[in-house]
Amino acid sequence: DAGVIQSPRHEVTEMGQEVTLRCKPISGHNSLFWYRQTMMRGLELLIYFNNNVPIDDSGMPEDRFSAKMPNASFSTLKIQPSEPRDSAVYFCASSLDSQRHPFFGQGTRLTVV
Amino acid sequence: DQQVKQNSPSLSVQEGRISILNCDYTNSMFDYFLWYKKYPAEGPTFLISISSIKDKNEDGRFTVFLNKSAKHLSLHIVPSQPGDSAVYFCAASGWGNTDKLIFGTGTRLQVFP
Repeated sequence: DAGVIQSPRHEVTEMGQEVTLRCKPISGHNSLFWYRQTMMRGLELLIYFNNNVPIDDSGMPEDRFSAKMPNASFSTLKIQPSEPRDSAVYFCASSLDSQRHPFFGQGTRLTVV
Repeated sequence: DQQVKQNSPSLSVQEGRISILNCDYTNSMFDYFLWYKKYPAEGPTFLISISSIKDKNEDGRFTVFLNKSAKHLSLHIVPSQPGDSAVYFCAASGWGNTDKLIFGTGTRLQVFP
C-alpha cells in the first residue's frame, strides 16, 4: 500500500491567491483528517470526515478555509484567499473505525508570500 | 486553549542513556493516549499508545506511563539511539469522540554519540 498520498509536496503562492491541497487516503480507510502544523500550536486538527461526511470542522480557522470529500478516495482542502499567516505544513491522515491511530501523509508545505 | 501540553520544546540525551519525554493534559474525558514520532520532511508515524485502564505499556525500547490523577503521561526510551532523534508528539482522544485526536506542540529529541 502506498500510504496516504498528498499533493503537492510544496506550494508557494502569492497572498490573495486560491490554494488547493489534495489527499488520497489509504484504500479502505473510512476516516480522513486534515491537520496543520505550526511551531506555536503543534498539530492542529482542522476537520475530519467519516464515510465522506464532515463530522467536525470546528478547527477550521476561518471561512477562507473549506474542505471536501467527494468520494472515499479523494479529499481537498482549499484556502481562498490565502494569507501569509496560512504558511504551515498541512497534513492529511486516514484511519479505519477500528483503529485509534491515523496514518499520516508526508504533508504539503505551504508558503504564502 | 491547549488541552494537550508538551512543555519541553527540546531535549538532548547521550546515546545509551534514557530519554524521558513528558506530556500533560487537561481534559478528564480523554481515555486514550498516543505518541507519534516525526522525522524532517516526513509525516508523523505512530509509535505507541496506552488506554486509560492501564498505567504502563511497553514496546521494546519504548515505554509509556500514564498517571491519571496527575493528568500526566511520559515516554521513556531506553537505551536511546541516534536514530531516535526526531520530534515526538503526544496525542489524546476521548470516549464518545474517538476519532478526534488532539496533539501537543511536540518535543524535539536529539540523541548524540
